[in-house]
Amino acid sequence: QSVLTQPPSTSGTPGQRVTISCSGSSSNIGSNTVNWYQQLPGTAPKLLIYRNRQRPSGVPDRFSGSNSGTSASLAISGLQSEDEANYYCATWDDSLNAAVFGGGTQLTVL
Amino acid sequence: QVQLVQSGAEVKKPGASVKVSCKASGYTFTDYYMHWVRQAPGQGLEWMGWINPDNGGRNYAQKFQGRVTMTRDTSISTVYMELTRLESDDTALYYCARVQQQFVQALGYWGQGTLVTISS
Repeated sequence: QSVLTQPPSTSGTPGQRVTISCSGSSSNIGSNTVNWYQQLPGTAPKLLIYRNRQRPSGVPDRFSGSNSGTSASLAISGLQSEDEANYYCATWDDSLNAAVFGGGTQLTVL
Repeated sequence: QVQLVQSGAEVKKPGASVKVSCKASGYTFTDYYMHWVRQAPGQGLEWMGWINPDNGGRNYAQKFQGRVTMTRDTSISTVYMELTRLESDDTALYYCARVQQQFVQALGYWGQGTLVTISS
């Protein structure tokens, strides 16, 4: 059971906009910034969004992050087939004194 | 460019220990924390802890306290993760990952992963 809750799966068609939610609590998302990772099959995770909404160099602006209270969201606009991957949210938990990940969301592009 | 190169796959028996290495290059080794994250087959990501390569300071996830030790060798820009008393549930891909920038927990650079298989 992950500390951060994500939907196990979601889907969309090319060109569509999809969002992935990440729900936490006051000790994690409510107190710290959220990062998002993309993991393509058979590869290491890749940092997609950090500090809630910042994109590392090279990440397209189709990817955006937001948060409110104890929840965060990742939005992907102009969905492309290469976006099919697992997406993980992550943050620091002050009560656990540990980094925590969501369980991951498998995105399927139909 | 930043590179993290991990040691090769390991097969261990239950009760044994494993030590995985992660050699960094392309940046000042002591300037950025290094984290370890593992992923069991078909499962999600699990944080294990971090090490400060500058002074060796460490913080481990409670789940691994007493079983994990993270060390570093600044002369060869390498961090190590040793896990003892291995069980079948420890079968996983183990990643080292460097923070994106100082004072930011986000993991911006990842090693290729080291598969550790526990089998009798």
